[in-house]
Amino acid sequence: GQQVMQIPQYQHVQEGEDFTTYCNSSTTLSNIQWYKQRPGGHPVFLIQLVKSGEVKKQKRLTFQFGEAKKNSSLHITATQTTDVGTYFCAGPGEDNQGGKLIFGQGTELSVKP
Amino acid sequence: GAVVSQHPSRVICKSGTSVKIECRSLDFQATTMFWYRQFPKKSLMLMATSNEGSKATYEQGVEKDKFLINHASLTLSTLTVTSAHPEDSSFYICSASESNYGYTFGSGTRLTVV
Repeated sequence: GQQVMQIPQYQHVQEGEDFTTYCNSSTTLSNIQWYKQRPGGHPVFLIQLVKSGEVKKQKRLTFQFGEAKKNSSLHITATQTTDVGTYFCAGPGEDNQGGKLIFGQGTELSVKP
Repeated sequence: GAVVSQHPSRVICKSGTSVKIECRSLDFQATTMFWYRQFPKKSLMLMATSNEGSKATYEQGVEKDKFLINHASLTLSTLTVTSAHPEDSSFYICSASESNYGYTFGSGTRLTVV
């Protein structure tokens, strides 16, 4: 079945260091979405990428969608303690019907001040 | 922006009892809502798609008789965990989308079955 895989599972960085999480899908995606879940909280939508090769930026966050629309990455420049949380990528279900999302395993980011 | 309200946030119940969780879209209509289950340090596992006015669509391996879903209006979906057992203890979370751009999640319900 369809799978969305994310690496690494955990990342511990010193404040100010950069961070990247990678997402790979077993199937071509019509779009890729990214969510952030703070400890004890719920996922919050960050961004959606649609076009092949698309790059979008949100302040220190840079999101990329691969040319083949099967992989994506999230890069955070100069991490801050407020970046702590788990970052999930998600893509539409294989049949692309009903709007359901398949989530990656997530990358848990911890930032040491 | 879109707001999804989920209640209760925490519930402790005795084994064998049923628990109902509500998910409401506060400022938009949601013909479709999604129910997820999340174990500690794990990803979100889609349980079912809740469809307003019709039967829910369950993912493979999810017992429809155990996890009853009702979507009686355009702003409310409920998930009832029937005859709960300790292994049903988990974080249950719903989501909906106001547009085709991203999903809004409820704050989640932490269920503990004792």
